[in-house]
Amino acid sequence: GENVEQHPSTLSVQEGDSAVIKCTYSDSASNYFPWYKQELGKGPQLIIDIRSNVGEKKDQRIAVTLNKTAKHFSLHITETQPEDSAVYFCAANPTSGTYKYIFGTGTRLKVLA
Amino acid sequence: KAGVTQTPRYLIKTRGQQVTLSCSPISGHRSVSWYQQTPGQGLQFLFEYFSETQRNKGNFPGRFSGRQFSNSRSEMNVSTLELGDSALYLCASRQSRDSSYEQYFGPGTRLTVT
Repeated sequence: GENVEQHPSTLSVQEGDSAVIKCTYSDSASNYFPWYKQELGKGPQLIIDIRSNVGEKKDQRIAVTLNKTAKHFSLHITETQPEDSAVYFCAANPTSGTYKYIFGTGTRLKVLA
Repeated sequence: KAGVTQTPRYLIKTRGQQVTLSCSPISGHRSVSWYQQTPGQGLQFLFEYFSETQRNKGNFPGRFSGRQFSNSRSEMNVSTLELGDSALYLCASRQSRDSSYEQYFGPGTRLTVT
């Protein structure tokens, strides 16, 4: 069935280091892969996304890579800062052209000052 | 441009009661989706509405229902509340253009069932 696996569940890094979160999806027809950041007491915030016709996308310190063959995509945060501490979720739409998203289980990122 | 707003932000109900949650999407967005977030199950899709019609539905019992109004505002209703319905209910809006996939979430309504 439709599934998105996310690893690791928790990640601690020193300020200034890089952080990488990985997700795999099950449906090869998926064509849209967003990443969300959720801070305590707030709703998820869309931080970056990628579509299946692109292999990599960058936005300042954040980048996402997609490997369609392996059905795998990753979030890369460089030069981490304490304000990057939050829970990060990956997601995928189970079928191309649908807007019903399946979410990963989340990664709690702690950036240690 | 104002973001997605949800009311109320917090709600406490008793088992067996029903509850209605409200969501106002970003201006110009015509698609509204609802998600349930719990520590055990994570973020789960409930349903999506577009132009007052339900287009997609998740795997939730019929006690969970929703509707959308002509101004794109949406409500979801949960009847005969159970303890397991305690969760953060999130609404997300999306532009109606084809191939516009970006969804933007509201702050959520925290429902506690006692």
